Amino acid sequence: GENVEQHPSTLSVQEGDSAVIKCTYSDSASNYFPWYKQELGKRPQLIIDIRSNVGEKKDQRIAVTLNKTAKHFSLHITETQPEDSAVYFCAATFGTASKLTFGTGTRLQVTL
Amino acid sequence: EAQVTQNPRYLITVTGKKLTVTCSQNMNHEYMSWYRQDPGLGLRQIYYSMNVEVTDKGDVPEGYKVSRKEKRNFPLILESPSPNQTSLYFCASSRWDSSGAEAFFGQGTRLTVV
Repeated sequence: GENVEQHPSTLSVQEGDSAVIKCTYSDSASNYFPWYKQELGKRPQLIIDIRSNVGEKKDQRIAVTLNKTAKHFSLHITETQPEDSAVYFCAATFGTASKLTFGTGTRLQVTL
Repeated sequence: EAQVTQNPRYLITVTGKKLTVTCSQNMNHEYMSWYRQDPGLGLRQIYYSMNVEVTDKGDVPEGYKVSRKEKRNFPLILESPSPNQTSLYFCASSRWDSSGAEAFFGQGTRLTVV
């Protein structure tokens, strides 16, 4: 069935270090892979996405890589800052309805 | 301002008392969906709708109903709420795109069933 696995569930890094969150998906036909950031008490908001015809995408300090053969994709945050502290969710689309299935989330804490 | 609006933001109710959580979007999006968020389980889809009068079950539809009579509204109905439906609920909308599109989320509704 449709499944997205996300690791790790919690991640603590020092300010200025890099953070990497990894996800795997089950359906080789999936073609859209967004990442959402949810700050405490707020709604999830899109921070970056990638489509299946692209291997990597960057936006300032964040980047996403996609390996379609292995069915996994990763979020990379460089030069982390305290405001990067949040829960991050990966997601993938499944089926003809482009149903969006989310991973279980990663709580990132950036310490001073 | 483009937005997805849910009401109420907080709700405490008793087991068995029917309730409706409303969701409205002003972006003319075709696609709308409901998720519940529980610790350690992420965002799980309850129901989704690809357009007016077109709805389908997500991953955890038991105990919920939805309707899509108008493009902008997608209410979530709990006919007989139970304590295991205590959760944080999010409505989301996006334009229809077979290759995927950004989902915009509402502010969330924290529901407690006692």
